[in-house]
Amino acid sequence: DGGITQSPKYLFRKEGQNVTLSCEQNLNHDAMYWYRQDPGQGLRLIYYSQIVNDFQKGDIAEGYSVSREKKESFPLTVTSAQKNPTAFYLCASSPRTSFHEQFFGPGTRLTVL
Amino acid sequence: AQSVTQLGSHVSVSEGALVLLRCNYSSSVPPYLFWYVQYPNQGLQLLLKYTSAATLVKGINGFEAEFKKSETSFHLTKPSAHMSDAAEYFCAVSDSKAAGNKLTFGGGTRVLVKP
Repeated sequence: DGGITQSPKYLFRKEGQNVTLSCEQNLNHDAMYWYRQDPGQGLRLIYYSQIVNDFQKGDIAEGYSVSREKKESFPLTVTSAQKNPTAFYLCASSPRTSFHEQFFGPGTRLTVL
Repeated sequence: AQSVTQLGSHVSVSEGALVLLRCNYSSSVPPYLFWYVQYPNQGLQLLLKYTSAATLVKGINGFEAEFKKSETSFHLTKPSAHMSDAAEYFCAVSDSKAAGNKLTFGGGTRVLVKP
């Protein structure tokens, strides 16, 4: 079955540590996205990528980094510079023919202790 | 810049009653509009979308939404609520299908269904 997978579902880290969240899709979509979700704030865009080896900052990129070495994969690293990293992180992808139609993964809940 | 406002962060309805979730948007060009549903600790699932065809859009699970340009609204309705409709609902807007375009989300409305 085609879809988007995110791993792990729950992640715990100590303050000051970098952590990488995985996102993989087998939908053959060109674009991929990372969102952060906090209660009552909807979803906020962190980074997005339209093609391999290229990505752009979203609205809240500070303290995060990404890479897009393969079409299928778009990992997100939450660095120690991110002041409030505890959140629910959602990955999405969309096809070239309609970038506005985004399909979401199940999410990763990151808790920094 | 585009924006989305969802009126009411929480809505409580009785099972069998009408569900009405409000969404107003701002966009400098004719928009593409979406409603997504999120169940606890899960990703977002597309309920329905408006892409400049019919103004009344039917989606999954008995939901529908009407695009009203004069009111800049895209309210979501379901005639009869079911317990399984308890979830959080997000309205989103995009002003282009082009590359580099982004979705802008509202703050979400959490629906509680009372038996």
